[in-house]
Amino acid sequence: SQQGEEDPQALSIQEGENATMNCSYKTSINNLQWYRQNSGRGLVHLILIRSNEREKHSGRLRVTLDTSKKSSSLLITASRAADTASYFCATDGNDYKLSFGAGTTVTVRA
Amino acid sequence: DTEVTQTPKHLVMGMTNKKSLKCEQHMGHRAMYWYKQKAKKPPELMFVYSYEKLSINESVPSRFSPECPNSSLLNLHLHALQPEDSALYLCASSPGGGSPLHFGNGTRLTVT
Repeated sequence: SQQGEEDPQALSIQEGENATMNCSYKTSINNLQWYRQNSGRGLVHLILIRSNEREKHSGRLRVTLDTSKKSSSLLITASRAADTASYFCATDGNDYKLSFGAGTTVTVRA
Repeated sequence: DTEVTQTPKHLVMGMTNKKSLKCEQHMGHRAMYWYKQKAKKPPELMFVYSYEKLSINESVPSRFSPECPNSSLLNLHLHALQPEDSALYLCASSPGGGSPLHFGNGTRLTVT
């Protein structure tokens, strides 16, 4: 079942700009993960943040987690055309079961 | 390229056909998954295998039948499907314990 809600549903930005998307969830989690999906392809894991962490960085990606508000954000800095994709948050509440949010479609214009 | 290989990439089948989707990983992952994804929607979990045993079935109709012959292979047998079953079927694997999933590129299934 889908647990996370993401906003915005779609985002269009100019190359070089930053992209921010948000994810809210309903139940307690062990960790929260972000994935990217290029059109018609499988999902690729980007970053995982544990429930006891507040912020994490990986290259041009910055993820925050606020467990009191049950929300997370993903920031992509200095966007590139290759960042055009759909981005999904996914929550891991118990072993083996990962629930995906609705996703944000990001278009980076050259 | 991904480390999880799915075949075929595309499949068109009639409602009376029987077909199988195949998935293979050689990363030694103990958990394997089937997800279904409709256009512009998130993946929906169907089945999870842990140590070759079915551990989660998300109330999937019996016309979908999973099989895990060994720790590297996962099959999804299809029979008497409906047009609304047309979707991208994604296989994934994981070491388990909350670790990230590794996805294949999926099988695009069309039921006519």
